[in-house]
Amino acid sequence: QVQLQESGPGLVKPSETLSLTCAVSGFSISNVYYWGWIRQPPGKGLEWIASIYDTVNTYYNPSLRGRVTISVDTSKNQFSLKVTSVTAADTAVYYCARHERGLYTPLDSWGQGSLVTVTS
Amino acid sequence: DIVMTQSPDSLAVSLGERATLNCKSSQSVLFTSNNKNYLAWYQQKPGQPPKLLISWASTRESGVPDRFSGSGSGTDFTLTISSLQAEDVAVYYCHHYYNAPLTFGGGTKVEIK
Repeated sequence: QVQLQESGPGLVKPSETLSLTCAVSGFSISNVYYWGWIRQPPGKGLEWIASIYDTVNTYYNPSLRGRVTISVDTSKNQFSLKVTSVTAADTAVYYCARHERGLYTPLDSWGQGSLVTVTS
Repeated sequence: DIVMTQSPDSLAVSLGERATLNCKSSQSVLFTSNNKNYLAWYQQKPGQPPKLLISWASTRESGVPDRFSGSGSGTDFTLTISSLQAEDVAVYYCHHYYNAPLTFGGGTKVEIK
C-alpha cells in the first residue's frame, strides 16, 4: 500500500523559497503514475499546484505565475516542490498525492500534509 | 479554467436521513470519446487529508460504504449519503480532472442536525 509523507520547514520568511519533499513508500515512483502537490490555506478550500510524471512531463497551475518548480528523484523514491518569492498568501497545508494513473485521473492517495507558515 | 461550484455551503441532516450535495462545473467534464465524466468527490475530516470517495462521477472507491453514491453527467453532479451516520460529519469537495488546471469546488460542510 502506497504511503506518502511530506517534510520541510514549517516557517518560511517572506520573499524566500519554500521547499518541500514527499517521500513515497510501498510503491515505486518510477511506475506509470503522476504525482502532485495540492495546498489548502487555513480554513479554506483545496488548490492544485503542480503534477509530475518525469523530468519532462510536468504541469503547473498558471495561477502561481511561474514561481513553482516540481521535480522527482527516482533514486530516493521522492518528489519535491519549490515555491519562490513567498508571501503570506502562500501560508497553507501542503499535501502531496498520487494520481490514480495519468494526469487526468483522480488523486487516490494523499500524505498527511505539512503546514507551512510564511512569517517574518 | 473550469470553475466548480458546490451547493449548499453547509448542510445539517438528522442521523439516518439523506444528504444531497451538489456540484456544478462551468463547462462539461464529460469526455465524449470514452463517455467518462472526469469528476471526483472527496471527504475531508478535521485535521486529515482529503479521502477519495467517488471517481468518474459514480464509481465508489474500494472500502467506501455503499450509502455514498455519485450521479450526474456533463456539468451537474450529485453526491448522496443515503443514511447519514455520525462518522460522515466532514467537508466534501468535488474535483474535476478533465484538463489543466485541475480545480476543486469550495466544499460542502455536512453536520448532524
